[in-house]
Amino acid sequence: GNSVTQMEGPVTLSEEAFLTINCTYTATGYPSLFWYVQYPGEGLQLLLKATKADDKGSNKGFEATYRKETTSFHLEKGSVQVSDSAVYFCARGRSNYKLTFGKGTLLTVNP
Amino acid sequence: DAMVIQNPRYQVTQFGKPVTLSCSQTLNHNVMYWYQQKSSQAPKLLFHYYDKDFNNEADTPDNFQSRRPNTSFCFLDIRSPGLGDAAMYLCATSRFRGHYTEAFFGQGTRLTVV
Repeated sequence: GNSVTQMEGPVTLSEEAFLTINCTYTATGYPSLFWYVQYPGEGLQLLLKATKADDKGSNKGFEATYRKETTSFHLEKGSVQVSDSAVYFCARGRSNYKLTFGKGTLLTVNP
Repeated sequence: DAMVIQNPRYQVTQFGKPVTLSCSQTLNHNVMYWYQQKSSQAPKLLFHYYDKDFNNEADTPDNFQSRRPNTSFCFLDIRSPGLGDAAMYLCATSRFRGHYTEAFFGQGTRLTVV
């Protein structure tokens, strides 16, 4: 089937720590992949995206690489800040123009 | 700036009293979506419009309806809100031209049912 599995949280880190949030997908073909971020009480914001194998999406110090061989799109950041505290959703686009979301990972960064 | 705007940000309604949430976009996107998001959960797609074509998800209750009078506006109508309908409602848009591009979300409307 078409699904997205992401690392369950919550994840708690200290400021300047390294972040990885794992995301894997099942799909036929080559779906577009996305990371969205949701701050408390807000809608979802697109953080980064990749549309084909080996593409690297990056934004605000976050990166994710589209790995076809492992069907993964893990989110990484070298040095997190308190302001990065939010819920992160991995998602894949489907050919019928719908998004399939992972369950979300709550990240808390402490000073 | 082009964007997706939802009004109101917070809506309180009485149990059983019809309520309408609104969404407008300046992106000129052809697809508009309504999602329901409950606490600590992923957004759940209720329905979407591809241009004027309405597409309902199989598990969306009949209590939820939608209207899209033109490209820019889309409304979510809840005919008889129950306590279980309290949630964040998210509107999103995307431009689909043969392949999927990213969805742009509004700020959401937090619905409380009393």
